[in-house]
Amino acid sequence: LAKTTQPISMDSYEGQEVNITCSHNNIATNDYITWYQQFPSQGPRFIIQGYKTKVTNEVASLFIPADRKSSTLSLPRVSLSDTAVYYCLVGDIYYNFNKFYFGSGTKLNVKP
Amino acid sequence: NAGVTQTPKFQVLKTGQSMTLQCAQDMNHEYMSWYRQDPGMGLRLIHYSVGAGITDQGEVPNGYNVSRSTTEDFPLRLLSAAPSQTSVYFCASSSRGGDSYNSPLHFGNGTRLTVT
Repeated sequence: LAKTTQPISMDSYEGQEVNITCSHNNIATNDYITWYQQFPSQGPRFIIQGYKTKVTNEVASLFIPADRKSSTLSLPRVSLSDTAVYYCLVGDIYYNFNKFYFGSGTKLNVKP
Repeated sequence: NAGVTQTPKFQVLKTGQSMTLQCAQDMNHEYMSWYRQDPGMGLRLIHYSVGAGITDQGEVPNGYNVSRSTTEDFPLRLLSAAPSQTSVYFCASSSRGGDSYNSPLHFGNGTRLTVT
C-alpha cells in the first residue's frame, strides 16, 4: 500500500501561492492521488484528484511528474480561510478496494 | 442531499460501557469506512466495507466491531469502552468509481467520544 510523506507544517501570508509536496515512492499503477482539506471539528473535504500530469479546478492545481512518485498541491493567492490541515492520499477503489491510509497531513497556517 | 450523517455528535461513556456510533449515507455508495482521529494526528482507519455483508479490518481494529446489513448504514460498535478509545470518529463513503476515474471519499462531521 502506498504510504505518503508530507511536511508537518507550513506558514504563508495572505495573497501568496502555497505549494505543498507529497512523496509517494511506491505508488501503484492504478493508484490515484487525492488531496483533502480539514478544518477543526470537521471531516476532511475533497479538494482535487489526479492520475498524471496537471489537474486544475476552481480552488487548486495538482502537479504530478511523469514518474508519479510525488505530487504538489498548489493553492493560488491563499486567504486566512485556507488555514487548515491538508492530506495527500494515494489509492484506488475500483480495482483494489484499497484501504485508504491518511498520514499526519500538513498544517497550513496563513497569516495576515 | 444529506450526504454522510453521523450520530451522536458527542458522547461520554464510562469504562466498560458499550455503545454504537451510527453512520448513514444517502448516495448509494458501495464503500464505507470508519476512522479515528486523535489530537494533533491524522486519521487512522478502523474498519471498512466494500458492500453489504462485506467488511474488513484497517490499521486499528481492536476493540471495535462493524457490520453492513444495508448499503446505507455502517454502524461502529464499541463492546467495552476504554479510555484509549477517547477520540473523534469519522465515517466516510465513496462510490466504486470506474476504470478511468477514482471517486473521492465523502466524510461525515464526526462523533466526539470521551471515555472516563
